[in-house]
Amino acid sequence: GESVGLHLPTLSVQEGDNSIINCAYSNSASDYFIWYKQESGKGPQFIIDIRSNMDKRQGQRVTVLLNKTVKHLSLQIAATQPGDSAVYFCAENLSGYSTLTFGKGTMLLVSP
Amino acid sequence: DAGVIQSPRHEVTEMGQEVTLRCKPISGHDYLFWYRQTMMRGLELLIYFNNNVPIDDSGMPEDRFSAKMPNASFSTLKIQPSEPRDSAVYFCASSLAGQGRDEAFFGQGTRLTVV
Repeated sequence: GESVGLHLPTLSVQEGDNSIINCAYSNSASDYFIWYKQESGKGPQFIIDIRSNMDKRQGQRVTVLLNKTVKHLSLQIAATQPGDSAVYFCAENLSGYSTLTFGKGTMLLVSP
Repeated sequence: DAGVIQSPRHEVTEMGQEVTLRCKPISGHDYLFWYRQTMMRGLELLIYFNNNVPIDDSGMPEDRFSAKMPNASFSTLKIQPSEPRDSAVYFCASSLAGQGRDEAFFGQGTRLTVV
């Protein structure tokens, strides 16, 4: 899920499919993670968070999985809808710090 | 609450001009963050405040950039003089606690174009 250069990685799915967006985070000492959704022309919007003492957390239609061994985070969206089309960012927080470091984002395109 | 409010939504200015971006955080939030977003660099933290005090401005790219928070309900980000490479979307965000303990709420952003 991390971008290189100008182009965001893009995931294209059909409406009703399940989507999985991946993110490799950078710091093994990070202990708090958030997924944000950003629609065109808007600011990032919180989706779900997870702390490092958990490996899975579920919300409404979304699940976040955390694998600390390989520093990997994923966002699963069930029954994807056209309204889910957006850029999704993972963000990590290092314990003791008050700020987040954001990944480059993945674009999700949902076709009807 | 109306959320984080930024103004203007769009700004087009000529190189060399001063630009001032404005932000009203969510009432009661103790932390305020300024981010810049570009395709090349993604979301970058420029500076953040806690209780109106600047805590970390290491992300501010140059002395041309400055930020203030004169009170709990208002912050500005100023670029003087502006350059074409400053063109980006600038976001303000606020949170009740730091981002390590609480989610940050983002404004709609200001799209700055310097020509």
